[in-house]
Formats: sequence, C-alpha cells, structure tokens
Amino acid sequence: DTGVSQDPRHKITKRGQNVTFRCDPISEHNRLYWYRQTLGQGPEFLTYFQNEAQLEKSRLLSDRFSAERPKGSFSTLEIQRTEQGDSAMYLCASSLGPGSGANSYNEQFFGPGTRLTVL
Amino acid sequence: SQKIEQNSEALNIQEGKTATLTCNYTNYSPAYLQWYRQDPGRGPVFLLLIRENEKEKRKERLKVTFDTTLKQSLFHITASQPADSATYLCALLYSSASKIIFGSGTRLSIRP
Repeated sequence: DTGVSQDPRHKITKRGQNVTFRCDPISEHNRLYWYRQTLGQGPEFLTYFQNEAQLEKSRLLSDRFSAERPKGSFSTLEIQRTEQGDSAMYLCASSLGPGSGANSYNEQFFGPGTRLTVL
Repeated sequence: SQKIEQNSEALNIQEGKTATLTCNYTNYSPAYLQWYRQDPGRGPVFLLLIRENEKEKRKERLKVTFDTTLKQSLFHITASQPADSATYLCALLYSSASKIIFGSGTRLSIRP
C-alpha cells in the first residue's frame, strides 16, 4: 500500500502528558498537511509543509503544538501538556505541489488518522 | 472568516433516486471547490474538483455545479446505491495546493 500512513492509529493519554504522532506521505508528494477533526465536524487545518519548510500555521496551533518535517519526507506532530480539549482525530494529507508538472496537485490524499483521547 | 454551510441534517433517500447535497459559503469565492467522501473512522477521499470559472463538472454518477453569484455548489449522485452512504464534505481552496477549508459535512444514507 503506497498511500499516506499514520502512526499510531489510536492514542490514549493522561492530561498533561506529551504525545507525538507520525505521518508518512506518498513518496513523491512534496506537500504535507495536518488537520484536526472532532465528531460531527469537518477537518480543521493546522499546518502544512512544502518539503521541509513549514509554510503556514493556523491560529488553532497553539504554542503547545509543534510540527516538523526535517528531511522533507515524514512529519511529526507533537502536542505538549495535553488537555482534554485536544481529544480529536488528527489527520495527515499529502499532495503534489504547484510546478510539479501534474494537473492533480490540488488533490489531497488523506491518511487514516490518529485518534487521540486525553483523559 | 470564511463560513461554509452544508445540509444541516442527514439526508435519507431511496436507492435509485438522485441525491443532491448543498454547500453554501460566505465571503469571496474560492479558486477551487472540492467534494470529499468520508466513511466512519477513515480519512476523507477526494471525489471532484471544480474551478471558479467552471459551471459544472461530471464524473461517472457524480455531478458538481458551482455558482459564484449564489456562492453555492450542488453535488449530485444519480442512481444512488446503498454503497454511496457516507458523509460528504464540501471543501474550498483559495490557491493551488494550499490548505483546505472544509464544511461540516452532510451524512447521506441510501436505503435499499
């Protein structure tokens, strides 16, 4: 399977703990996105990367959240001092970027998500 | 900030009928409007994209319209099947390969 993968699929943690999620995009995709989704809502944008450069961060991404994509391949999303309000599904997506020579760079491919429960 | 409204309640229709889902947005029109399908416990799956200068786009049993005057997109599934049951998300992009702004989705159920 060469789709987007995320690890872990489920994470249960206690309030105040730090958690880290990993996303492996489709190998030829240079754009990588993080979204958060709560029950009954659509995904909300958190941040995205072009290769290793973080191009945009949402105001939702408080200083407890940090994302990295050190080598322009996989990405990690860390949440420090978790709060119960952080409980959600964290989705990663990847796409080709403009200038890739393809017409389908607006299609984002999503992973299965990491479901976080903060007790 | 941009607001997107989709059918607020779940849509239940009979197999074989055409399902029509609505997406309305405020403020300025996006460069691209997309529709995604999401099944429970899974990430969204891209279905169709329509550009701001296009009125209609079709793919197999799917049809999307985009009216920038009304600030509305309609998503149609013809000859609906129980396998089409899912949540459908309207999504806006304001530039190429940028972040997506999603609506809250409409849950569609097709009964046999």
